Amino acid sequence: SQQGEEDPQALSIQEGENATMNCSYKTSINNLQWYRQNSGRGLVHLILIRSNEREKHSGRLRVTLDTSKKSSSLLITASRAADTASYFCATDGTGNTGKLIFGQGTTLQVKP
Amino acid sequence: DAGVIQSPRHEVTEMGQEVTLRCKPISGHNSLFWYRQTMMRGLELLIYFNNNVPIDDSGMPEDRFSAKMPNASFSTLKIQPSEPRDSAVYFCASSPGQRNEQFFGPGTRLTVL
Repeated sequence: SQQGEEDPQALSIQEGENATMNCSYKTSINNLQWYRQNSGRGLVHLILIRSNEREKHSGRLRVTLDTSKKSSSLLITASRAADTASYFCATDGTGNTGKLIFGQGTTLQVKP
Repeated sequence: DAGVIQSPRHEVTEMGQEVTLRCKPISGHNSLFWYRQTMMRGLELLIYFNNNVPIDDSGMPEDRFSAKMPNASFSTLKIQPSEPRDSAVYFCASSPGQRNEQFFGPGTRLTVL
């Protein structure tokens, strides 16, 4: 079954606005990660939040994690045209496997 | 650091041919992952290695697919014989540890005619 599922599938906003993407998962995790993928490129790691953390910041990124609801959100503040990309959440399991399961991603378009 | 290196970047081949994709992980990383990405199925983990040993190959679609990691600095993913449904972008990623972030290569876009 799909571990990480993002919502919405697509999001279009104006430059300067905030963008919020959500991720839901099914099983217990050690950590949850967010990645960005520009068109035609590989994925780039953005941020990792551990299961015992509730919120984490990195620059204009804010990630929250609610393990009771098995959900996470990624907020990009003051968006820029360069933020246009697909964003994926990825979850591991509680075992020490290193295996990540990626969601289908949210495609974000930031209009200048 | 050059990052994860993959070759070739693009491969066009005919059905039935053997295809070999190559990956050089980041030096010092001991976990290596092979993924396949398509519009229909998204990003799928095919196989991953830890310290050059295959740990989980449950994502390998069928026996036509095989992967090796003869040393810490090189891995191959082979498809023999290739089929049109194998057309996808194949990514290699490496990680310094099993629970760490993964660093992705630029991918190989494979087209099987």
